[in-house]
Amino acid sequence: AQSVAQPEDQVNVAEGNPLTVKCTYSVSGNPYLFWYVQYPNRGLQFLLKYITGDNLVKGSYGFEAEFNKSQTSFHLKKPSALVSDSALYFCAVRNFNTGGFKTIFGAGTRLFVKA
Amino acid sequence: AAGVIQSPRHLIKEKRETATLKCYPIPRHDTVYWYQQGPGQDPQFLISFYEKMQSDKGSIPDRFSAQQFSDYHSELNMSSLELGDSALYFCASSLEGGLDTEAFFGQGTRLTVV
Repeated sequence: AQSVAQPEDQVNVAEGNPLTVKCTYSVSGNPYLFWYVQYPNRGLQFLLKYITGDNLVKGSYGFEAEFNKSQTSFHLKKPSALVSDSALYFCAVRNFNTGGFKTIFGAGTRLFVKA
Repeated sequence: AAGVIQSPRHLIKEKRETATLKCYPIPRHDTVYWYQQGPGQDPQFLISFYEKMQSDKGSIPDRFSAQQFSDYHSELNMSSLELGDSALYFCASSLEGGLDTEAFFGQGTRLTVV
């Protein structure tokens, strides 16, 4: 079965410090990987995606993610966290076995950035 | 830029009533997805449409139905509402529904069943 795991329910980081939000996936075939962010009472916003090519993908708001095929991971990173980054982050995957029209989401990781 | 519009933003219904949620995708987007997100949970895929035809089906109850109209807007119809249907319902749209295409989400409709 296709699945996405976000092992941390919550990540706490001080403003200005680097942050990492972890994601691992399990799919057969090549994955198409996405990160979305959700602010309170808002819809999910697309941050970045990995389709093919460079393993390091850069996205919105200074975020980046590294695709690691051997570890089946796609961790979200930012060199210097901002208080405004505090939100719920979802990792997601699509591939031929999920069907082109269905995205499988991880359970979400809540990021708290302290001033 | 135009975004995905969902209406209403909030809806309160009683048990056994019906509800209709509407979604207006980004102009020229031909694929619409519906997701249900319970409190503290990740979004669960319900159903999707591509070019007005159902393209995929997830964990959508038989009490729910949906369709995509000729102008590409979509409606999710929910009947015999139960307390457990209380959730945030998201609609998303994308162009061509490709595997490498990100979805753009609306702000959601919060449904409360009392």
